Amino acid sequence: GAVVSQHPSRVICKSGTSVKIECRSLDFQATTMFWYRQFPKQSLMLMATSNEGSKATYEQGVEKDKFLINHASLTLSTLTVTSAHPEDSSFYICSAYTAGEDETQYFGPGTRLLVL
Amino acid sequence: AQSVTQLGSHVSVSEGALVLLRCNYSSSVPPYLFWYVQYPNQGLQLLLKYTSAATLVKGINGFEAEFKKSETSFHLTKPSAHMSDAAEYFCAVSEGPNTGNQFYFGTGTSLTVIP
Repeated sequence: GAVVSQHPSRVICKSGTSVKIECRSLDFQATTMFWYRQFPKQSLMLMATSNEGSKATYEQGVEKDKFLINHASLTLSTLTVTSAHPEDSSFYICSAYTAGEDETQYFGPGTRLLVL
Repeated sequence: AQSVTQLGSHVSVSEGALVLLRCNYSSSVPPYLFWYVQYPNQGLQLLLKYTSAATLVKGINGFEAEFKKSETSFHLTKPSAHMSDAAEYFCAVSEGPNTGNQFYFGTGTSLTVIP
């Protein structure tokens, strides 16, 4: 089946530093990748939609300059949290979307970010 | 617009008992519907999906769901709960094929299995 990886799985950083999270579709090409944020005991909050070779589309209230998304290829998207602060601590999950008959989002295992 | 309502944020069942997790959707077009499971500190794993074929969909781990258009529902069931089924379950709806559109998730249902 379709496999999506995320790296790192867990990261701790100091306030003010930037953190990059990678999302890869390992055995398929994803036309679109999504980035979600999940707070404890809550559902997923869509942050942005990323299409290969074009600018990401951000949801309302998500700062594009703070959460930089690059979708360099059909198998890789990156999310960079710039100048991270403690309130950015969260669980970040990506998904890769395959259109056509499959029409499914496959999720990565998530990245736990803790900003001190 | 699409939306999903999951009734019951917490469900507890005894081991071996029937599992029923409710999901109702709202969609202006024929929907695609999904159930995902999330174990602690992990991503979401696809359990099953409805994409306009058979209305009764069988998924992994013994789960199944039935699409009922008249009731706008897509409830998830399993005849006999196992301890390993304890997790968070999310229902999601999308607009259908080749829309490239986002999925709309419910707020999730936490399933507890009592030994």
